[in-house]
Amino acid sequence: KAGVTQTPRYLIKTRGQQVTLSCSPISGHRSVSWYQQTPGQGLQFLFEYFSETQRNKGNFPGRFSGRQFSNSRSEMNVSTLELGDSALYLCASWTGRGNTEAFFGQGTRLTVV
Amino acid sequence: QKEVEQNSGPLSVPEGAIASLNCTYSDRGSQSFFWYRQYSGKSPELIMSIYSNGDKEDGRFTAQLNKASQYVSLLIRDSQPSDSATYLCASYTGGFKTIFGAGTRLFVKA
Repeated sequence: KAGVTQTPRYLIKTRGQQVTLSCSPISGHRSVSWYQQTPGQGLQFLFEYFSETQRNKGNFPGRFSGRQFSNSRSEMNVSTLELGDSALYLCASWTGRGNTEAFFGQGTRLTVV
Repeated sequence: QKEVEQNSGPLSVPEGAIASLNCTYSDRGSQSFFWYRQYSGKSPELIMSIYSNGDKEDGRFTAQLNKASQYVSLLIRDSQPSDSATYLCASYTGGFKTIFGAGTRLFVKA
């Protein structure tokens, strides 16, 4: 069974640019969550999607957005990049029911210069 | 107040000792609790889940939950150098949201 696939693995962008990250969940999983991880801050919840609908959103500015497609693949977009957006972005795949554990992708390391 | 709090460490224990990792949470409605292990440069992987008060054992790992005290812990017996990693505590609060703590770094000295 294939795991969670995130692309690209590494990305370097310039301030002011925008970026799109992709996540393909485990086959059969309908829910995808996105997290931002920075040193000392742990995993900060960005948003969660199920069946193409955003069900919850964290405390991030509107520059951060996402979407989910009918095949459960998800993308997140960050516009007008700032230096502080440099982080590891992790996608988690869930079956869609509550009380279940997350399966994480390898992450996308974004560096903003 | 952070929703899930952990001591950032580092926690250093000798090989063969018991490592005790602790976590508190603020949302009394939290339903499920998870411990993830994250090696440097890698993504988190689930090692334990616990849903009801008491202890749950899996090999060298024991998770403990006390909902009255809003406290979750992870014990690692016979700690090995390969256990050196960051341990993340997480709680599912309902509302399709799982909250993670900042993690505790564990070093097991050979």
